[in-house]
Amino acid sequence: RKEVEQDPGPFNVPEGATVAFNCTYSNSASQSFFWYRQDCRKEPKLLMSVYSSGNEDGRFTAQLNRASQYISLLIRDSKLSDSATYLCVVNPRYNFNKFYFGSGTKLNVKP
Amino acid sequence: GAGVSQSPSNKVTEKGKDVELRCDPISGHTALYWYRQSLGQGLEFLIYFQGNSAPDKSGLPSDRFSAERTGGSVSTLTIQRTQQEDSAVYLCASSGDPASGELFFGEGSRLTVL
Repeated sequence: RKEVEQDPGPFNVPEGATVAFNCTYSNSASQSFFWYRQDCRKEPKLLMSVYSSGNEDGRFTAQLNRASQYISLLIRDSKLSDSATYLCVVNPRYNFNKFYFGSGTKLNVKP
Repeated sequence: GAGVSQSPSNKVTEKGKDVELRCDPISGHTALYWYRQSLGQGLEFLIYFQGNSAPDKSGLPSDRFSAERTGGSVSTLTIQRTQQEDSAVYLCASSGDPASGELFFGEGSRLTVL
C-alpha cells in the first residue's frame, strides 16, 4: 500500500471557483504534512505546511484529519495561474528527514 | 546561481551503459535528497544524505544504483548497466532545515534509456 494516495484528477474548474483536494496517508505515525505545487515539466515547490488546527494562506486553506488520516487543500477564487499539479507530502514520525510524496492531483483552471 | 543545480538536464543513453547525474545543492544546506519521477507518477525516494551521517539508501531500487556526496556538498548519482525502466526524471533537493518541510528542488535530469 502506498504511503500517500491522491486522486490524480484532473479537476477542471472555471476561474473564480472553489476547489478542494483530499489526500490520504497510510501510516498513523506520520508526523508532518505539506502541500507542494508542481507546474508542468518543472520542479516541485513548497506551497504550504499543514498544521493540526488547520491553516490558511491567502486563498489556500489546508486541513488535517488525523482520525481519518487525510489532509485537504481548499483553493478559493481559483486563478488561471493556479493550474498545476498539487502534491501531498507526508513526513513519518520514525524518520523526520524522510518525505513521502503522493502522485499529485492535477488542476486545470479555465477562463 | 543560488538554487540547486543539476546536470545534465537531459541524457539519452543506450541500454547497458552507465550514467552519472550530478547535483550541486544550495550552499550551506546539509540535507540532500535524490528522488525520481516517472511520467505521470509521484516522486519516488531514492537516497538521503545529512551532514556526515551515513546516508539513508533505503529507496535505491537495485544495486545498480549508487550515490555519493563528496565534502558534504556535491552529490553524484550513478546508475550502472542502465535498463529501459530507469527512464525517468531524477530530481535532487536540498534543505537547510528538513523539519520545516521545505525541500528546494533542482530542475532535474531527464534520463532516457533506449
